[in-house]
Amino acid sequence: AQSVAQPEDQVNVAEGNPLTVKCTYSVSGNPYLFWYVQYPNRGLQFLLKYITGDNLVKGSYGFEAEFNKSQTSFHLKKPSALVSDSALYFCAVRPLRGGATNKLIFGTGTLLAVQP
Amino acid sequence: DSGVTQTPKHLITATGQRVTLRCSPRSGDLSVYWYQQSLDQGLQFLIQYYNGEERAKGNILERFSAQQFPDLHSELNLSSLELGDSALYFCASSVGVPTSGYNEQFFGPGTRLTVL
Repeated sequence: AQSVAQPEDQVNVAEGNPLTVKCTYSVSGNPYLFWYVQYPNRGLQFLLKYITGDNLVKGSYGFEAEFNKSQTSFHLKKPSALVSDSALYFCAVRPLRGGATNKLIFGTGTLLAVQP
Repeated sequence: DSGVTQTPKHLITATGQRVTLRCSPRSGDLSVYWYQQSLDQGLQFLIQYYNGEERAKGNILERFSAQQFPDLHSELNLSSLELGDSALYFCASSVGVPTSGYNEQFFGPGTRLTVL
């Protein structure tokens, strides 16, 4: 079965420290990978995506993510966390064998809490 | 602001009732997706439309239906509502044909449905 795993329900980090939010996937073939962020009472906002090419992709608000094919992972990273980064982060995958659909499979989300 | 609008923001209704959620995609986007977000199920894909045609179904109940109109707005109809249907319902849109899964989806702010 195709799935996305975010093993940590919550990640706590001090402001100014680097952060990592983990994501692993299990799908057939090479998928397209996405990260979204959800602030309280808001919709999901697109952060970044991996389609092909360089394994390190850069996105909005200073976030980046590293695609690792051998480990089937797509971890989200930021060199220096801000209190305003506190939110719920979702990893999503679009299997390339999904046929005529762009259906996204989402992880369960990771709550990032950045302490001042 | 993603450019995707959803109405209403909140909806409170009783079991057994029927409601309609409305979504207007970003200008130029032909694909519309509906997702349900709940505490126990997480973020689940419901259905996708492209240029007025249904393209994919996910975990959508038979009591639920959707359509996309010629002006590209979409409606999600939920009938015979049950307590368990209480959730946040998101609409998303993307540009491009359904097979071009590399396009990110842009999410609306959601409709919070409460079934009493």
